[in-house]
Amino acid sequence: AQTVTQSQPEMSVQEAETVTLSCTYDTSENNYYLFWYKQPPSRQMILVIRQEAYKQQNATENRFSVNFQKAAKSFSLKISDSQLGDTAMYFCAFMKQNFGNEKLTFGTGTRLTIIP
Amino acid sequence: DGGITQSPKYLFRKEGQNVTLSCEQNLNHDAMYWYRQDPGQGLRLIYYSQIVNDFQKGDIAEGYSVSREKKESFPLTVTSAQKNPTAFYLCASSIGRERQPQHFGDGTRLSIL
Repeated sequence: AQTVTQSQPEMSVQEAETVTLSCTYDTSENNYYLFWYKQPPSRQMILVIRQEAYKQQNATENRFSVNFQKAAKSFSLKISDSQLGDTAMYFCAFMKQNFGNEKLTFGTGTRLTIIP
Repeated sequence: DGGITQSPKYLFRKEGQNVTLSCEQNLNHDAMYWYRQDPGQGLRLIYYSQIVNDFQKGDIAEGYSVSREKKESFPLTVTSAQKNPTAFYLCASSIGRERQPQHFGDGTRLSIL
């Protein structure tokens, strides 16, 4: 079974600063997918970024980027030029590359607060 | 606009009562999922369905039941056997192939009276 660990329950940074959220996972699979989801106070889950394990290049989406270290089983999220709207819970999630079984395993989340 | 609609937004259950949470999607997605969210525990998978008339148990299926009679609908029933039903419930859907990410609804908060 896969496990996902987010060791930072809460973080806060000043607006416009850069912040990194950590995520580690445990799996015996070689091919898989990793995701970061954002859950603002409205409680809707929003996909932030996605990484395929077979790709060595780190994924980026505007101000969001990841540092994917496959050997270390680490998948951190970096938010650059943080904005007040980035305040949310952030969840790291794992999906096996197994057709017909696209289940997500989530970490416990990191509550990020952007301070004006 | 395409999306996932969960209803109601808030739901209250009396002891011994079954309640059903609705989840409808118009994204033409094959796969649908139900998650439970408790404080400090992230999301845990209850049930999922890859295709109409078929579904599988997730990690915490006890005390819950589902049906998938139509592609766009995946209702979740919280039965009286679920002794701790107070939680936030999220429904999600995905294309079900090519490992596409899941899209989520806005959730239903269930509380015990």
